[in-house]
Amino acid sequence: AQKITQTQPGMFVQEKEAVTLDCTYDTSDQSYGLFWYKQPSSGEMIFLIYQGSYDEQNATEGRYSLNFQKARKSANLVISASQLGDSAMYFCAMRERYGGSQGNLIFGKGTKLSVKP
Amino acid sequence: EAGVAQSPRYKIIEKRQSVAFWCNPISGHATLYWYQQILGQGPKLLIQFQNNGVVDDSQLPKDRFSAERLKGVDSTLKIQPAKLEDSAVYLCASSHFREQYFGPGTRLTVT
Repeated sequence: AQKITQTQPGMFVQEKEAVTLDCTYDTSDQSYGLFWYKQPSSGEMIFLIYQGSYDEQNATEGRYSLNFQKARKSANLVISASQLGDSAMYFCAMRERYGGSQGNLIFGKGTKLSVKP
Repeated sequence: EAGVAQSPRYKIIEKRQSVAFWCNPISGHATLYWYQQILGQGPKLLIQFQNNGVVDDSQLPKDRFSAERLKGVDSTLKIQPAKLEDSAVYLCASSHFREQYFGPGTRLTVT
């Protein structure tokens, strides 16, 4: 069974508008971490935002926020005020066995975001 | 702070040949990961090191792939012999605590 599901292969958004990228996950662990990464055409994975399973508040990092709904097992990424440079692949990932640097990331298949001028 | 370095950036080989990739993690990061990213998919873990010990290599095809991390710093990933389905981007990442920092990757094409 897929652990991370990203149902939107591609998304378009108008520059300066907000966009939500969907992510649902599956785990039986109580402690886990959720990550979003951006991968531009250059190929490097860039860390955007993190949400711990015990964090009560939704994570925010600048224009990025994570809409965490634990009961629904969803961790959607919201990008506000989209910029042309936001055009890239976006990956949702999960680390089970919360804590420390142990535990690899399990990635979804990604969503390709295209920002239109 | 220097990021994760990888070389080469691109490699084209014929099937049944061998190839090696090199990774230098961020200074002080004890954990190093190698991921394989096939076109259109998310990265998949091949192997994880903690210092110079292997933590997880359950998804490494050990009949053809090998990896080592000498002295707990640099790491090399080798494929011998390569198959067509090994065409992918090989990403190296390192972490100190929570988030992983990725290198630019090596794009391998097997013909």
